[in-house]
Amino acid sequence: QVQLQESGPGLVRPSETLSVTCTVSGDSMDNAYWTWIRQPPGKALEWIGYIYNGRVTKYNPSLESRLTLSADTSKNQVSLKLTSLTTADTAIYYCARDRALIRGGTDAFDVWGQGTMVTVSS
Amino acid sequence: DIQMTQSPSSVSASVGDRVSITCRASQDISTWLAWYQQKPGEAPKLLIYVASTLQSGVPSRFSGSGSGTEFTLTISSLRPEDFATYYCQQSHTFPRTFGPGTKVDLK
Repeated sequence: QVQLQESGPGLVRPSETLSVTCTVSGDSMDNAYWTWIRQPPGKALEWIGYIYNGRVTKYNPSLESRLTLSADTSKNQVSLKLTSLTTADTAIYYCARDRALIRGGTDAFDVWGQGTMVTVSS
Repeated sequence: DIQMTQSPSSVSASVGDRVSITCRASQDISTWLAWYQQKPGEAPKLLIYVASTLQSGVPSRFSGSGSGTEFTLTISSLRPEDFATYYCQQSHTFPRTFGPGTKVDLK
């Protein structure tokens, strides 16, 4: 079965760049929407964006100017880069699979990693 | 963006109670709605998709209904392991959006 494992730096300084990686095991990365979702402490979930087939991306407009998603299919990894960090970016960052439908589109996030906590602080 | 709201924001209940949570979308999303359960320190877990289809392995005491802009998650008889926060999420349009959550705790 598919498993996702995030890894991140833990603590990042304001104005710096966050890099988080998600390693996919148990399945091919093809034909799946690998998605990033974050959750500030005690708050609700926010969709960040996805990468599909290693190169097609879609971003939340609220983050688009600071966000880059990429994939390394040889390593079965997807990565997130978020620049110009502020304290508002403090959150648990989750990697999840947005399940693809045969007819196109997706219906739900059926597999999640355990998340990695990122704190933005000086 | 499609705004998702949930009510109530919290509910206190006892084991064996029937609990219902409502989710509303700011525009018609047909049945493109999913429900998740999240326990403290854990990632969300998919319970229901396309409004009423139970994810594999999820107990049948969970059910979902609704279409358009109003949806309901019902737990028919609450068990101790069901005390958690529940989120709805629309999969009709990007960006995907989640509701603010409903916390189910012990009365």
